[in-house]
Amino acid sequence: NAGVTQTPKFQVLKTGQSMTLQCAQDMNHNSMYWYRQDPGMGLRLIYYSASEGTTDKGEVPNGYNVSRLNKREFSLRLESAAPSQTSVYFCASSEAGQASVADTQYFGPGTRLTVL
Amino acid sequence: QKEVEQNSGPLSVPEGAIASLNCTYSDRVSQSFFWYRQYSGKSPELIMSIYSNGDKEDGRFTAQLNKASQYVSLLIRDSQPSDSATYLCAVINSNYQLIWGAGTKLIIKP
Repeated sequence: NAGVTQTPKFQVLKTGQSMTLQCAQDMNHNSMYWYRQDPGMGLRLIYYSASEGTTDKGEVPNGYNVSRLNKREFSLRLESAAPSQTSVYFCASSEAGQASVADTQYFGPGTRLTVL
Repeated sequence: QKEVEQNSGPLSVPEGAIASLNCTYSDRVSQSFFWYRQYSGKSPELIMSIYSNGDKEDGRFTAQLNKASQYVSLLIRDSQPSDSATYLCAVINSNYQLIWGAGTKLIIKP
């Protein structure tokens, strides 16, 4: 049981380049999330998916797109990277749908992205 | 005003003492409250959740919730150097959104 896995672990991009961050979970969870974490700002939700085939915007969706490929996989795409997107990106999953009020989120190891 | 506020620290506590971490939230109708621990360079992991007013104990950890005063705290008894980490408070608000505090850095001094 690997839990939540993310690739790559580190990435350096030049401004304007594109890339996709991959996330997969093997816990049969319904909900998946993408966060970014910046120093002093805590975790901010980019997008989430409450079930296969659905995605919704979070607090900071601009500049990102997501795909819920199947129940296991949820990818995050940066179409044209900007220095402001330099951050640590975490994928998370939880068992229930998004509206659950008692739902633990399980996090992947993170991707450290630098945009030059 | 941020929805969930924590003192950024660092909070320095001697080994064996009680560490007290605090979190306040602005949405009076918030429903669920979580404490996550994050070691440097690692991902957050859940320590405790609390949903009702009062105390909830799990080993050396006690979560305290006071909805009237809109704060939630985490006490760590018999603090160990391995407890040194950043502690994140997270709150599910009235819109069923999970809102995160910026975290408090805790340092346990041997």
